[in-house]
Amino acid sequence: GENVEQHPSTLSVQEGDSAVIKCTYSDSASNYFPWYKQELGKRPQLIIDIRSNVGEKKDQRIAVTLNKTAKHFSLHITETQPEDSAVYFCAASRAGNQFYFGTGTSLTVIP
Amino acid sequence: DAGVTQSPTHLIKTRGQQVTLRCSPKSGHDTVSWYQQALGQGPQFIFQYYEEEERQRGNFPDRFSGHQFPNYSSELNVNALLLGDSALYLCASSLQGADYGYTFGSGTRLTVV
Repeated sequence: GENVEQHPSTLSVQEGDSAVIKCTYSDSASNYFPWYKQELGKRPQLIIDIRSNVGEKKDQRIAVTLNKTAKHFSLHITETQPEDSAVYFCAASRAGNQFYFGTGTSLTVIP
Repeated sequence: DAGVTQSPTHLIKTRGQQVTLRCSPKSGHDTVSWYQQALGQGPQFIFQYYEEEERQRGNFPDRFSGHQFPNYSSELNVNALLLGDSALYLCASSLQGADYGYTFGSGTRLTVV
């Protein structure tokens, strides 16, 4: 089955700096890669996703890049704000199939 | 808001007991997936239901079973509870075959004592 690894497990940045979280996957058949933000005690919420036919996608301060050859994808958050503090999960799946999640990155943005 | 709803929100059970968790999918969705999220970990796939049948199953023992009703709502049952079953149980709904629109509920926090 698929194996998703996520790094780092914790990340602290100063407000206004950028944050980068990286994930690798093992199954070359995976073709959908979402990123979720989970605040304490709340549900995971989709913040951005990318499909295997696209190399990069951007939504305001958030961007995701995908390297299919190397089987890794990354989340980039620019101009970080305190409200970006949360746990971020990457995931990989084939359409309609189960999501395989990484172990999460706890991001702290220091005001 | 016609999002995914789960009940109950919190539950405390004794080791060896049985528990049933419930999920109502987002309006328009026909597929329900269940995940277990242990503290400090990512969600782990338990199983997926579509057309009232279990379509996919993760690496969980037979103590974990489920059901889907004609109105697409779903139940997760866990028998012979172990301390290690303590976790947040998340339900996600979607349209069969689609990865977009995958929506999570707020979860049920199960504590086994």
